[in-house]
Amino acid sequence: AQTVTQSQPEMSVQEAETVTLSCTYDTSESDYYLFWYKQPPSRQMILVIRQEAYKQQNATENRFSVNFQKAAKSFSLKISDSQLGDAAMYFCAYRSADARGSTLGRLYFGRGTQLTVWP
Amino acid sequence: NAGVTQTPKFQVLKTGQSMTLQCAQDMNHNSMYWYRQDPGMGLRLIYYSASEGTTDKGEVPNGYNVSRLNKREFSLRLESAAPSQTSVYFCASRVDRVRDPFFGPGTRLTVL
Repeated sequence: AQTVTQSQPEMSVQEAETVTLSCTYDTSESDYYLFWYKQPPSRQMILVIRQEAYKQQNATENRFSVNFQKAAKSFSLKISDSQLGDAAMYFCAYRSADARGSTLGRLYFGRGTQLTVWP
Repeated sequence: NAGVTQTPKFQVLKTGQSMTLQCAQDMNHNSMYWYRQDPGMGLRLIYYSASEGTTDKGEVPNGYNVSRLNKREFSLRLESAAPSQTSVYFCASRVDRVRDPFFGPGTRLTVL
């Protein structure tokens, strides 16, 4: 089974600074998707960014970017110019790209990293 | 267009009581999922449904039953609640096996 590991239970950053959240995963598949979800105190799961494994180019969404290292099975999230509203729990997640598989596209989540942003 | 809705938002049960968590989506999605989130853990899959009339077990199905009532609704039932089922429950849906899922707002359940 696929596993996703987030080794940083908590991280903190000063407002306007940059922070990087780490994620590693284990899979024998070659085609898959990786995600970062943000969960604010409201509990809503918000998709921040996604990466398709067959794409070598790292995904970017405004202040959020990833460093995807397929051979190392590493997928880190960089948040630039951190804002107070970025404070939340961040989850790394994996999904198989096999549309025919019995996993039916389920997501595998890491345990999360709680990000604090200091003013 | 409300997306994925879950009721109730909060619930407190006593050990041994039963209840049903409701989930509905108005996006005409085929697949629906129930996850649970415990402190210090990511979301774990309880049950999923590929289409109306089909359901399958996920990673942590013990103590739960599900019903895919129709294409819109996917309910999760606790027949005899236990303190270990204290958690936040998320419902999600997807239009097909390729697209990303949409999540509901979650239900916080406490079993005393």
